[in-house]
Amino acid sequence: EDQVTQSPEALRLQEGESSSLNCSYTVSGLRGLFWYRQDPGKGPEFLFTLYSAGEEKEKERLKATLTKKESFLHITAPKPEDSATYLCAVVTGNQFYFGTGTSLTVIP
Amino acid sequence: KAGVTQTPRYLIKTRGQQVTLSCSPISGHRSVSWYQQTPGQGLQFLFEYFSETQRNKGNFPGRFSGRQFSNSRSEMNVSTLELGDSALYLCASSLDSQGTEAFFGQGTRLTVV
Repeated sequence: EDQVTQSPEALRLQEGESSSLNCSYTVSGLRGLFWYRQDPGKGPEFLFTLYSAGEEKEKERLKATLTKKESFLHITAPKPEDSATYLCAVVTGNQFYFGTGTSLTVIP
Repeated sequence: KAGVTQTPRYLIKTRGQQVTLSCSPISGHRSVSWYQQTPGQGLQFLFEYFSETQRNKGNFPGRFSGRQFSNSRSEMNVSTLELGDSALYLCASSLDSQGTEAFFGQGTRLTVV
């Protein structure tokens, strides 16, 4: 059964304290892995797409990496405005499968 | 460039009623997908439309239906509403298939009382 698991469920960081979020998946025929950021009451905001193992993408303080079994979202020197829920999703066939997200809180 | 627009933003309905939600995708995008988001279940795929045809469907009862028009705008309908249908309903548009980036609207918050 296709499955996407994100960990941890919640993460509290001090401003400037770097960390990583994990997205592990067991799917057949991965076509792509996506990272989104979601603020309360809003729709998910697209961050990155990764298509093959070894691929990396960066945007400001965020860096996403992909292996054959998991993806990491590295957050370097986070700021309070990085507080949000981070979702990963995998596409197999023509369907998106979302993880339940990691709720990140960055404390000033 | 306009984003994905969902209307209405908020809706309160009574059990047993039916509801129609609307989604206007990004101009030029032909794929529209619908998701239900609840605190307990996260984001769950409802269905995807591409060029006016339903291409994929998630594991939801037949009370949930949708359609897409020739201008790519899409509507989702839920009949015989139940309390458990209370959720944030999100629409996402993609250029062609779900293998490409999907951009989400702000969602419609549906409350069933």
